[in-house]
Amino acid sequence: EDQVTQSPEALRLQEGESSSLNCSYTVSGLRGLFWYRQDPGKGPEFLFTLYSAGEEKEKERLKATLTKKESFLHITAPKPEDSATYLCAVLTNAGKSTFGDGTTLTVKP
Amino acid sequence: KAGVTQTPRYLIKTRGQQVTLSCSPISGHRSVSWYQQTPGQGLQFLFEYFSETQRNKGNFPGRFSGRQFSNSRSEMNVSTLELGDSALYLCASSKNTGDSGNTIYFGEGSWLTVV
Repeated sequence: EDQVTQSPEALRLQEGESSSLNCSYTVSGLRGLFWYRQDPGKGPEFLFTLYSAGEEKEKERLKATLTKKESFLHITAPKPEDSATYLCAVLTNAGKSTFGDGTTLTVKP
Repeated sequence: KAGVTQTPRYLIKTRGQQVTLSCSPISGHRSVSWYQQTPGQGLQFLFEYFSETQRNKGNFPGRFSGRQFSNSRSEMNVSTLELGDSALYLCASSKNTGDSGNTIYFGEGSWLTVV
């Protein structure tokens, strides 16, 4: 069975304090791994797609990396507006997607 | 370019009733998928439609059904509503072709409350 586990469940940072979110996965065949940001009461907003081990993507203060077993979302010098729930999802070769439960990030000024 | 549009945004139904939710995908996107999101269960995959055919299905009872029209718009229906069906229902679409076609884009969701 495909599984996606995100850690930690919640993360509280001071503004400017860099950290990483983890997404570990077990799937039968990985077609792609996705990161989303979700604000309360809204739909998930697409951030990155990663397809193969070693791949990296960057956007502003966020950088996503992928290995054969996990992905990291690195947040450099976060700001309060980065506070949100970050979701990781995997898409298998069979076309099924599985989401993790998310990491809720709070950045305090 | 318009995003994924879902209607209605909020609705309240009574146990035993049925509900239909609507989704208009991003123009040019042929795949539409539906998800249920609750605080306790996270994001759960309901089903995916492509070219009017259900291509994948999650582990939900038969009370949950959907369909896709020739213009790629989709509807999902929940019959005989239960209190546990209260959730945010998210629709997502993807191109499903090309290198970037696997990325799914979400709508804002339909908040369903069953009382």
